Formats: sequence, structure tokens, C-alpha cells
Amino acid sequence: DTEVTQTPKHLVMGMTNKKSLKCEQHMGHRAMYWYKQKAKKPPELMFVYSYEKLSINESVPSRFSPECPNSSLLNLHLHALQPEDSALYLCASSPGGGPYTQYFGPGTRLTVL
Amino acid sequence: GESVGLHLPTLSVQEGDNSIINCAYSNSASDYFIWYKQESGKGPQFIIDIRSNMDKRQGQRVTVLLNKTVKHLSLQIAATQPGDSAVYFCAEKYSSASKIIFGSGTRLSIRP
Repeated sequence: DTEVTQTPKHLVMGMTNKKSLKCEQHMGHRAMYWYKQKAKKPPELMFVYSYEKLSINESVPSRFSPECPNSSLLNLHLHALQPEDSALYLCASSPGGGPYTQYFGPGTRLTVL
Repeated sequence: GESVGLHLPTLSVQEGDNSIINCAYSNSASDYFIWYKQESGKGPQFIIDIRSNMDKRQGQRVTVLLNKTVKHLSLQIAATQPGDSAVYFCAEKYSSASKIIFGSGTRLSIRP
């Protein structure tokens, strides 16, 4: 099973809302990632969790708050977002930090009104 | 047809022909390389990878070539099919690092 699942598939929220994106993998991977992708651009790394600890934060604004409740789950909590935060949010996982590929989920299409 | 680096964002290929997508990577210390395919509305899908101790690796209908001397990577798709239409990203990684660095992507379109 090389599947990473993400919910919801689509999300529309206002600038005052609080919402969460969820990601799950059951491949036993120990590294999990959040990416943001704008149209016609490559994915941009936001956060990396390694063994359930935050190891990289790519200077992401605090209105994005990641959480890794256990080795299979990754959340991204959203609060007071701006319209320019509208994008495809991708979760990925990999066995670890070595020469391993990252497996991506289908993404959550987020629209901020 | 052939794209010359990722500054040519679209490659148009006749169905049944071979496609060659090129990528110039940036870090000479990178030792692991990945090709991803991204269809519209979906997440990137792993196609094939190669480590720096190899110069060629073959998969099903796909071949990746690595030239470390000129920091160049290519993806060859044999007998291109309509289902191959997508954006293709190369990515590089320094093996002990957590991050992968994506190239800017090439859109492959198939002419019937």
C-alpha cells in the first residue's frame, strides 16, 4: 500500500474561520511533509516532521499550524488565512530522511474568500 | 520531440512517438533524483528514481538518464500515450537531507 490520503478534497473558508486539513499514511513512514502548490508551479515545502517531531519549518506564517498526533497522522490547522493562501495543499510521506522518494497524497484544494 | 531544459515549459509529442523531458539540476552534491508526474487536480505521482552511482535506470516504458558531469537529468517515455499527458517534475535530493528540490516542471501534451 503506497497510499497517502488527505481530507477534505476541497475546502472553502472565510478569513475568520478555523479549519484543519488531515493526512494519513499506513506505510510505516517516519517522515511526513506539508507542501503548498500554486497553479503551474512546483510544490513548495512548508513543514517536515521526522519521527513525529517538527524538524523543518520553512518560515511559514503562524496562521498555519502543523500537528503530528502519531506516526500515521499529520494535521494542518488553519486560522485567519488570506485570499493569497488559496492553493493546493499536499501531504507527503517517506520512509525517512535518506535517499527515499516522497509519496504524495491527492491534495486539498483550499479557497480562502 | 525534445525539450531543452525546464525553461521550455511545454512539450508537444505525437501519440506513439518517444518523449524526452530534460532537467538541469542545481546542486552538485545532490545524490538522489526523482521524476514525478502530476495530472490535473492530482498530487505528484512517483515515476522513477536514480541514485548518483548510476547513469541509467529503466522502468516500464520510462528511462531516466543522469549525467553528473553537466548536472543533467532526462526522462524518456517510450511510445507516448494520451494518458501520459501531465506536468512532469524532476526533483533532486542530498541523501542525508529531508528536503527535495523540485524543478519548475514541463507540461507534456499528446497530439492524436
